[in-house]
Amino acid sequence: DTGVSQNPRHKITKRGQNVTFRCDPISEHNRLYWYRQTLGQGPEFLTYFQNEAQLEKSRLLSDRFSAERPKGSFSTLEIQRTEQGDSAMYLCASSPTGFPYEQYFGPGTRLTVT
Amino acid sequence: GIQVEQSPPDLILQEGANSTLRCNFSDSVNNLQWFHQNPWGQLINLFYIPSGTKQNGRLSATTVATERYSLLYISSSQTTDSGVYFCAVVDNTDKLIFGTGTRLQVFP
Repeated sequence: DTGVSQNPRHKITKRGQNVTFRCDPISEHNRLYWYRQTLGQGPEFLTYFQNEAQLEKSRLLSDRFSAERPKGSFSTLEIQRTEQGDSAMYLCASSPTGFPYEQYFGPGTRLTVT
Repeated sequence: GIQVEQSPPDLILQEGANSTLRCNFSDSVNNLQWFHQNPWGQLINLFYIPSGTKQNGRLSATTVATERYSLLYISSSQTTDSGVYFCAVVDNTDKLIFGTGTRLQVFP
């Protein structure tokens, strides 16, 4: 069990550019979650998948954000036309579908939009 | 939606001291987790505790679901305990709702 991994760990981009992040969950976990954390705040839910199905999306996930989990394994989060307000830590978590439903987090991708 | 409040927001301790962190939530929940976020941003699982009491070394946690609160106890604190402690609850939509955290600083 290697834990949840995320790549890249850091991303600096210019406003208006597109960025894509990747998350690899714990191998036996069917559920995968994306959260966003800004400075001084707790993480906020963005979206989650059960296998390849996207089951819920937060109102925080504007039209510029899209997430996929095409084969029910890894997931990608893309942000189009980045804005300075998108600067944050993007966290991925995974959990099993059965009890105890505990979520485990990856190290995060820190995005800075200049 | 469910509101999660944590107190105190900041805590400064000398090494060896004990502390209690509190988490209040506004409605019934299916799950409650405590995390420690280290200086590099990694969220480390401490406890999955929807109810009852659990202990892990110097840390213990108690959740009283009927009264909608949870407590995290840290005994004999060490400098490596420094960081932000988050409580997070799961409502009936399976997502974690986090509090704003307690920032702990332990000095030698």
